[in-house]
Formats: sequence, C-alpha cells, structure tokens
Amino acid sequence: QKEVEQNSGPLSVPEGAIASLNCTYSDRGSQSFFWYRQYSGKSPELIMSIYSNGDKEDGRFTAQLNKASQYVSLLIRDSQPSDSATYLCAVNHSGGSYIPTFGRGTSLIVHP
Amino acid sequence: EPEVTQTPSHQVTQMGQEVILRCVPISNHLYFYWYRQILGQKVEFLVSFYNNEISEKSEIFDDQFSVERPDGSNFTLKIRSTKLEDSAMYFCASSTAGRQEDFGEGSWLTVV
Repeated sequence: QKEVEQNSGPLSVPEGAIASLNCTYSDRGSQSFFWYRQYSGKSPELIMSIYSNGDKEDGRFTAQLNKASQYVSLLIRDSQPSDSATYLCAVNHSGGSYIPTFGRGTSLIVHP
Repeated sequence: EPEVTQTPSHQVTQMGQEVILRCVPISNHLYFYWYRQILGQKVEFLVSFYNNEISEKSEIFDDQFSVERPDGSNFTLKIRSTKLEDSAMYFCASSTAGRQEDFGEGSWLTVV
C-alpha cells in the first residue's frame, strides 16, 4: 500500500511569515513529487514539481526533497492571506507509472 | 485563457442509474485525466487517456467506469450503475505532456 502522509493542520501563520508544509511517502522508489493548492470547493492547482534531491525555488515557493528520508516539503515565503488553502502533496508510483498518490492535504491559514 | 470545462456542475442521480460526466479539455492538449474526491477525503486518480486509449487506470476504475472521446472535443466519464459510494466531486484534467495538468472546476455527483 503506497501511502502519502501529511499533517491535516490547520497550520496557522501570520502574514509575511514562512509557512512550512511537510509530506512523507512510503514508496522508496518514487521519482516524481508534486504540490497542489486547493481552495475550498475548488479544483487542485499544480504549483510545484520536484524530481531530484535538494531545493527547487519558484517565486515565493520552495520545494525540498530528501529521498533518503522519504520526505518532501513546501516552503511559502512572505505568506499572504490569499495563500490560505489546502496544500496537497502527490507522489508518482515507481516504475515509470503516471499514477499519483495524493496525501489528504494540509490546511494553511494565513492571518493578517 | 483556455480552460477545461465540465458539465454538469452538479448532478443528483438514483442508485443504479447510469451517469455521464462531460469534459471539454483545452484544445491543444493531448493527455486527459479523471480524478475523484469524496467529500473530506483525498484526491484519487481514476484514469489517464492518450491517443484514443486508456494509458493507465487505478484500482478504483473498475468495470463500472468507462471513458470515451466521442469527438474531437469532448472527453466523457461514464458510471454504468451508480452506487452510494460513487458520490464525490469528479475532476477532469488535461495536459500537453508530463504533469502540468489543467483541472476543470469539477462535477459534483450525488447518488441517492
């Protein structure tokens, strides 16, 4: 059973702070890792993808991957109230499969 | 900006009835996907479709489900005999390649 675990939260941070969202996965052979943002009642929106160990930055977002620890994180710098949403971690199965396994998501609240 | 459109936005159906959910992917996209999200649960991959055939499907996508691209624009998900546990939000997505999917706004299916 391939699992992707996230703390459901809510994670509450003040505006302007760094929000740190974490995700662990069970399939050691997983190769592709994704972060989605989902506003309440809306569809997921892909915000970051990462495939190799280390950091990947895109604007205020940084994804961090540590395959040895089976851990992927998302940092949001200068958090804004508009960042308040549920953040979904998704991991592709190993073996070249596209099929993603999603975590339950972490609810982030950025308060003014 | 081009977007993935889904109809209906909400459908209520009786258990045992057939349901067809429709999607119009972005016109130059070649890969199509269906996901579902039961209320309060994680997003689950159902099926991917490329070159007029199923690329991959999850364990959820059993014989009750089918997909079709009946013409050059629509992509449909059919549930042959709905069960109460099929009640969920169904998301269609499309992409040019890889995992940069664009999601539609979803079709909320309620089985009573």
